Amino acid sequence: AQKVTQAQTEISVVEKEDVTLDCVYETRDTTYYLFWYKQPPSGELVFLIRRNSFDEQNEISGRYSWNFQKSTSSFNFTITASQVVDSAVYFCALSEARAGGTSYGKLTFGQGTILTVHP
Amino acid sequence: SAVISQKPSRDICQRGTSLTIQCQVDSQVTMMFWYRQQPGQSLTLIATANQGSEATYESGFVIDKFPISRPNLTFSTLTVSNMSPEDSSIYLCSVAMTDGDTEAFFGQGTRLTVV
Repeated sequence: AQKVTQAQTEISVVEKEDVTLDCVYETRDTTYYLFWYKQPPSGELVFLIRRNSFDEQNEISGRYSWNFQKSTSSFNFTITASQVVDSAVYFCALSEARAGGTSYGKLTFGQGTILTVHP
Repeated sequence: SAVISQKPSRDICQRGTSLTIQCQVDSQVTMMFWYRQQPGQSLTLIATANQGSEATYESGFVIDKFPISRPNLTFSTLTVSNMSPEDSSIYLCSVAMTDGDTEAFFGQGTRLTVV
């Protein structure tokens, strides 16, 4: 069975601080995808990143960066120089990557981390 | 990529009634899914909407409560039947592409309040 754990329920920072959101996962699949989504108060899910389990390169996109460590089953997300607009719930998710697999396309979500950035 | 239109975006319903949520995709997709997000909670998969056959439900969800239709490769509906306040949630439609590079796309969600 797949499991995603986001141990941080809520994080509060002041604008311009760096913040890291933790994500630890469990899966028996040999190939899988990891995702991060942002959910602002309006409720829609905003896709941030997808990482294939074969690709352990870290990624940077503007103020966002992701650290994937297969050895520790972690996929952490860092926001540099946080802004008030970053305030949202952030979800880490996992899915099987093998086309035709029984769980292909289905996402298992973590519990989410509520990030509040104060001005 | 895929663009998903979900209707309605929100609704307030009386207990005991039913609501049908529509999900329209701008391209043909193999897999469509329905998720529920209860207030303050994470997303939980309700079922996989199968084109031309009955939906596949996850543990804890049943067809009588959440009937799903999928008449073609671009459209699906989820009905929340005989609603109670506990059904107040955000319901989201999701699709996955099978072109060898999965990315899960989500509709904007339907915020349902049952009074």
